[in-house]
Amino acid sequence: QKEVEQNSGPLSVPEGAIASLNCTYSDRGSQSFFWYRQYSGKSPELIMSIYSNGDKEDGRFTAQLNKASQYVSLLIRDSQPSDSATYLCAVNIYNQGGKLIFGQGTELSVKP
Amino acid sequence: DTEVTQTPKHLVMGMTNKKSLKCEQHMGHRAMYWYKQKAKKPPELMFVYSYEKLSINESVPSRFSPECPNSSLLNLHLHALQPEDSALYLCASSQDREGSDTQYFGPGTRLTVL
Repeated sequence: QKEVEQNSGPLSVPEGAIASLNCTYSDRGSQSFFWYRQYSGKSPELIMSIYSNGDKEDGRFTAQLNKASQYVSLLIRDSQPSDSATYLCAVNIYNQGGKLIFGQGTELSVKP
Repeated sequence: DTEVTQTPKHLVMGMTNKKSLKCEQHMGHRAMYWYKQKAKKPPELMFVYSYEKLSINESVPSRFSPECPNSSLLNLHLHALQPEDSALYLCASSQDREGSDTQYFGPGTRLTVL
């Protein structure tokens, strides 16, 4: 079982819709969770970080964490074509020296 | 300001060349990282420096040699690379290497080995 798994893409949504990106992780020692956005040919850009159970909202983005279910998600409301990118879920595990474990990424396409 | 800078943006080198990648941050971060990313794959950790000391080496071949001259600078020295080493090389930094610290990535160096 992979340590961090993301729903396989590509995910296609119409402009204005809600995009839902999911991520599960296997290590219960995981303590911090990150969503990065990566445009083709560019470097990862931090979208959200979340550390405790519940929801965290920032503009059109909402991260949700459920440690009991080992599940973290990212919702993008009012999706725009500029949101088209690969979204990487990353998990930091306690006592691993800062090592981030990445999922394989989900490619999102927002159609006008 | 969460800026990490990397030079050069692009690098083409032959298998016998020696070159260096540079990374700089002025956020006062004490942990710095090198990642390698191939197309359609997530970043793979190569090295971690914490307080200017190498703390993690993910079994990287010796043709890659990291160096941390001071808390703001991180270098990656390249020698006798192979074509399969062609990739996007990313530098990142964080406040510390504790689990809760966010890593911020630089723009990367696109390396092509001929």
